[in-house]
Amino acid sequence: NAGVMQNPRHLVRRRGQEARLRCSPMKGHSHVYWYRQLPEEGLKFMVYLQKENIIDESGMPKERFSAEFPKEGPSILRIQQVVRGDSAAYFCASSLDRGRAYEQYFGPGTRLTVT
Amino acid sequence: TQLLEQSPQFLSIQEGENLTVYCNSSSVFSSLQWYRQEPGEGPVLLVTVVTGGEVKKLKRLTFQFGDARKDSSLHITAAQPGDTGLYLCAGSYQGAQKLVFGQGTRLTINP
Repeated sequence: NAGVMQNPRHLVRRRGQEARLRCSPMKGHSHVYWYRQLPEEGLKFMVYLQKENIIDESGMPKERFSAEFPKEGPSILRIQQVVRGDSAAYFCASSLDRGRAYEQYFGPGTRLTVT
Repeated sequence: TQLLEQSPQFLSIQEGENLTVYCNSSSVFSSLQWYRQEPGEGPVLLVTVVTGGEVKKLKRLTFQFGDARKDSSLHITAAQPGDTGLYLCAGSYQGAQKLVFGQGTRLTINP
């Protein structure tokens, strides 16, 4: 499968627990983006990463949210002490290189439900 | 804050009819993408336009980028039930890699 992979597809957490969402970019892609889609809303940018670097985190909430893209392994979006308002679909996208960063290919998403 | 306005938000038409969906902004895009999203899935990239006035065709779908690169349209000819879905436009602005999305047009084609 050469597409963007995300897991898990569905994640249920109780309030106060931690959520870890994983994203493996498309083969050959070194740029990763995370977006959030709240119910009945459009996709909103959260963070843009390259290997071992956070390039733009202007869309990330200031608290409880963090992201990384290590040299080896998938990108991780971590949400600590989840609250009901964190329930949403979280999408990862990847692009080939900076010059064509606008051509972003999306994964199937992780649907987070906080109970 | 850069905003993308899509219209209409909802559109329900009969099979065989033609339709146009619009995407507008007060800002200039460096590129604009159209995506289609099915329920429970991620957006699938349909097309990218980067040059003002550019027209791209994908079977029965025609995408146009405005001359000033502030607006775009998606025209579907002879719509089919398989065209049903959520259509999203997304723009990128000079110097930024993030995409700004419109709120989407939910299209229903009735047999």
